[in-house]
Amino acid sequence: DAGVIQSPRHEVTEMGQEVTLRCKPISGHNSLFWYRQTMMRGLELLIYFNNNVPIDDSGMPEDRFSAKMPNASFSTLKIQPSEPRDSAVYFCASSFKGSDTQYFGPGTRLTVL
Amino acid sequence: AQSVTQLDSQVPVFEEAPVELRCNYSSSVSVYLFWYVQYPNQGLQLLLKYLSGSTLVKGINGFEAEFNKSQTSFHLRKPSVHISDTAEYFCAVSASPGNTGKLIFGQGTTLQVKP
Repeated sequence: DAGVIQSPRHEVTEMGQEVTLRCKPISGHNSLFWYRQTMMRGLELLIYFNNNVPIDDSGMPEDRFSAKMPNASFSTLKIQPSEPRDSAVYFCASSFKGSDTQYFGPGTRLTVL
Repeated sequence: AQSVTQLDSQVPVFEEAPVELRCNYSSSVSVYLFWYVQYPNQGLQLLLKYLSGSTLVKGINGFEAEFNKSQTSFHLRKPSVHISDTAEYFCAVSASPGNTGKLIFGQGTTLQVKP
């Protein structure tokens, strides 16, 4: 079975540009999580969805960040405009409601110059 | 609110030696506890989890952890490590057990296995 799929794996962009990160959860999973990992702050939960509905976005750093889940098999995390401090590895994870076990994708390494 | 503290940021150890990675949590309610491993340039992978029942939990790759409610700890152990165990290890607690809610992660412990 395919695991969680994220694209792109690496993204280099310039400050001020729009960045869109994509995630395809494991088929049948109905919860999806976006995390950010940096050396300074470790692993932070940004937002999570249950059945395509955002449940908790308290971890989203500011209005420049937005996330959508238009259907059960796709989610995006958008940063507009991007800033150098957004440089990090962004992970998507999914789980089946009730299992509490999250399965992580390989991550997207974002570098904002 | 729940929180997780991993007491060591780095643990160097020689190959074939035993290792313990320490994790303490705080919570006013029952919790589920997890250990994840992150190999270089990869996502996190579940090592083991405690939901209920036996306090000694066995996971993949020869790792085990013991849930100690009185000490609010969930330390990870392996009797003999390999070079391939070099990775970042994260302890996590479920903020709302059974409701597929947030996982609260510790800051991570880097296990460096030396030949």
